[in-house]
Amino acid sequence: QEHLVQSGSEVKSPGASVKVSCKTSGYNFYDNYIYWFRQAPGQGLEWMGWVTPRNGGANYAQKFRDRVTLTRDTAISIAYMELSGLKSDDTAVYYCARYVLGVGKDYFDQWGQGTLVTVSS
Amino acid sequence: DIQMTQSPSSLSASVGDTVTISCRASQSISNYLSWYQQKPGKAPKVLIYGATSLHTAVPSRFSGSGSGTDFTLTIRGLQPEDFATYFCQQGYSTPTFGQGTKVEIK
Repeated sequence: QEHLVQSGSEVKSPGASVKVSCKTSGYNFYDNYIYWFRQAPGQGLEWMGWVTPRNGGANYAQKFRDRVTLTRDTAISIAYMELSGLKSDDTAVYYCARYVLGVGKDYFDQWGQGTLVTVSS
Repeated sequence: DIQMTQSPSSLSASVGDTVTISCRASQSISNYLSWYQQKPGKAPKVLIYGATSLHTAVPSRFSGSGSGTDFTLTIRGLQPEDFATYFCQQGYSTPTFGQGTKVEIK
């Protein structure tokens, strides 16, 4: 059974950094890109970037390019998202998701449970 | 970025009703369109991919149609567990989502 399990909620001060983990299990970690999204309260989903477990390559949304770093640890099948320079409008639930790509297939089939990051002074 | 516009933003329906949700892309995305269901406090779950393909274990009352810029999610015979928010997502370029359609109990 494939699972993505994220680290717990965080409360941070403005200007701080947060690092969220996404532990995968039940499948070959190398086989699928991991994407990161966030969802502000009552809002839709916003793409932040992706990381490829095979070589650690990453791609970031323009909005977050200066502040986000996506990494992975292949030894323990975990992906990480670190966001720096936190502001109050970074308060959101952050999700990791497994990307499925194939003939006629292009979607996110497994999601972490979400990590609430609250930025408050 | 490709913009995805869903309508309506919310609707009220009864158990057993047929519900239709629309999603329009700001440019052609072929059939690179997925639909997700999200319940409060939970992660999204994929329902439909490739605009029309039902994901594993998703009930057949869910169906998707469309290509190019206009897409539809239909739920036939709404069940109590279907009251949720539904999002469309394009995969033609870097992923973007619609703002969601909340399906509420009438």
